Amino acid sequence: GDSVTQTEGLVTLTEGLPVMLNCTYQTIYSNPFLFWYVQHLNESPRLLLKSFTDNKRTEHQGFHATLHKSSSSFHLQKSSAQLSDSALYYCALRGYKVVFGSGTRLLVSP
Amino acid sequence: GALVYQYPRRTICKSGTSMRMECQAVGFQATSVAWYRQSPQKTFELIALSTVNSAIKYEQNFTQEKFPISHPNLSFSSMTVLNAYLEDRGLYLCGVSGGASYEQYFGPGTRLTVL
Repeated sequence: GDSVTQTEGLVTLTEGLPVMLNCTYQTIYSNPFLFWYVQHLNESPRLLLKSFTDNKRTEHQGFHATLHKSSSSFHLQKSSAQLSDSALYYCALRGYKVVFGSGTRLLVSP
Repeated sequence: GALVYQYPRRTICKSGTSMRMECQAVGFQATSVAWYRQSPQKTFELIALSTVNSAIKYEQNFTQEKFPISHPNLSFSSMTVLNAYLEDRGLYLCGVSGGASYEQYFGPGTRLTVL
């Protein structure tokens, strides 16, 4: 079945450094939808980015990701981390249903 | 995006009792509603996916007998946790999607504590 892999459970960064959170996926669908959700403390997950177009960069709130079907990847990036970026980030894939990765906790320190 | 409400936001029940939680989509036709449980370790477990006019599909380790779900129209779904025990603790989230929208929008969740 479909699966999403987020290799890092925890990423710690100093404010101002670039962010990259990894996401790879497996699916039988040739045109999957990929998403990044962000969950801040005591909140529910909120959609951050979405894409279904191969090799097209999608951006929102300073974050960006590009779906690469050749490598089955949808890594999340930001050029400069802010303290307020500290949260849980989930990569998700939509085939028949939405499948979530295990999540990456991003901690940004001063 | 969609506005999704869940109630109650928090609930406490005694071990062995049951509790019902609701999910309401406003301004959005929720043709599909997925119910998840987020454990204290923050992992997502899909409980079931309900699509209007189709049978509700439960994931492995979750059953209709334990988590009966109702999805009577395009704006509302409810789920009951029957005979709740400690392992049922967590944040229950509903994710709605529908129409031309492929993304899922989450409600704020119902946090279940079992004593």
